[in-house]
Amino acid sequence: QKEVEQDPGPLSVPEGAIVSLNCTYSNSAFQYFMWYRQYSRKGPELLMYTYSSGNKEDGRFTAQVDKSSKYISLFIRDSQPSDSATYLCAMNTGFQKLVFGTGTRLLVSP
Amino acid sequence: GAVVSQHPSWVICKSGTSVKIECRSLDFQATTMFWYRQFPKQSLMLMATSNEGSKATYEQGVEKDKFLINHASLTLSTLTVTSAHPEDSSFYICSARELPPTGTGTDTQYFGPGTRLTVL
Repeated sequence: QKEVEQDPGPLSVPEGAIVSLNCTYSNSAFQYFMWYRQYSRKGPELLMYTYSSGNKEDGRFTAQVDKSSKYISLFIRDSQPSDSATYLCAMNTGFQKLVFGTGTRLLVSP
Repeated sequence: GAVVSQHPSWVICKSGTSVKIECRSLDFQATTMFWYRQFPKQSLMLMATSNEGSKATYEQGVEKDKFLINHASLTLSTLTVTSAHPEDSSFYICSARELPPTGTGTDTQYFGPGTRLTVL
């Protein structure tokens, strides 16, 4: 079993839809959770960084962490074609190497 | 936000030659940098952790003598692919860890734009 599981997609939605991206993990020691966006042939870009359980909002993006269920989510409101990319969840125990999900490819059609 | 650059962004070389890739943190100091490799439609695979002033720590299965890492300053780490072969063709990405303010306990990594290596 992988430490971090993420559906590879692709996930196709129409413009304006609310997108839900999810990851589950098995290591209860993970404390820091991140979401990265990666466009084709580019390096990952940090979108959201969370530490505790609960929600964190930044513009159209909301990150949610449920440590009791070992489940994290990224919500994108009013999705745009420019949001089409691969979204990677990542996590660690703190000052250690990141463990990545496989990435979910998102396609937002106009 | 913190910016990490990589150079070159794209390189083509002949089999048997060596290629050096630079990773720089432009507006912050990074005592730790990481080197990843990514194949098409796959996630990032950590190759090694590079600490300023000390030897890099390589992940299992990564050849130390083939992938030479040097982290000579707080803003620069280099990865040299020695005697490159076609199977080394890949997308190489570095990340740099930004030190958190004292007492915050946070840990954030910022990624470079990547270097695409093609070995003929």
